[in-house]
Amino acid sequence: DAGVTQSPTHLIKTRGQQVTLRCSPKSGHDTVSWYQQALGQGPQFIFQYYEEEERQRGNFPDRFSGHQFPNYSSELNVNALLLGDSALYLCASSFTTGTNTIYFGEGSWLTVV
Amino acid sequence: QQQVKQSPQSLIVQKGGISIINCAYENTAFDYFPWYQQFPGKGPALLIAIRPDVSEKKEGRFTISFNKSAKQFSLHIMDSQPGDSATYFCAASREGDNDMRFGAGTRLTVKP
Repeated sequence: DAGVTQSPTHLIKTRGQQVTLRCSPKSGHDTVSWYQQALGQGPQFIFQYYEEEERQRGNFPDRFSGHQFPNYSSELNVNALLLGDSALYLCASSFTTGTNTIYFGEGSWLTVV
Repeated sequence: QQQVKQSPQSLIVQKGGISIINCAYENTAFDYFPWYQQFPGKGPALLIAIRPDVSEKKEGRFTISFNKSAKQFSLHIMDSQPGDSATYFCAASREGDNDMRFGAGTRLTVKP
């Protein structure tokens, strides 16, 4: 039973660039949420995708956008990268939207220089 | 933004001892309280969770105690082992709300 998988695991980008992170949900799950975890902090909710639509968004600027594909996989895009965007980006999947039980992937470490 | 306060920030326990991590929340609408365990370089893994209709939930060496009136909940790790050394996060959310709020984390070190 495949868990939540994310790619890439690590990447380095320059300020102002754009980045795309990818996520495949756990088998049987159709909902994907994205979280940002800064060093030494707990994860913060970015947004959630269900049925290929953004269902809920946290307190993040429009530079953060996403997409969900028909196979339930998802992408997180961040434009105009800032140094403060350096963090671990976590994808979490769940059986359906509004369900509290979520399972995280191992994350993508983004460093902005 | 933070609606869940976690303490202590770090904790050192001897092998075989009891580790206790505390969390307090503000939003009385929260009705789901999970604990996550995170090892360095890994994503958080769901450890145990509780809903406010019970005051305690036990799974193996891990127990959640919940005090609804005080808006507090805690994680107890019995017979702590060096392999339990990790960062632990409490979290809270409410049914239908996909924005789960996390505490800042507790770094647990269990000394052999």
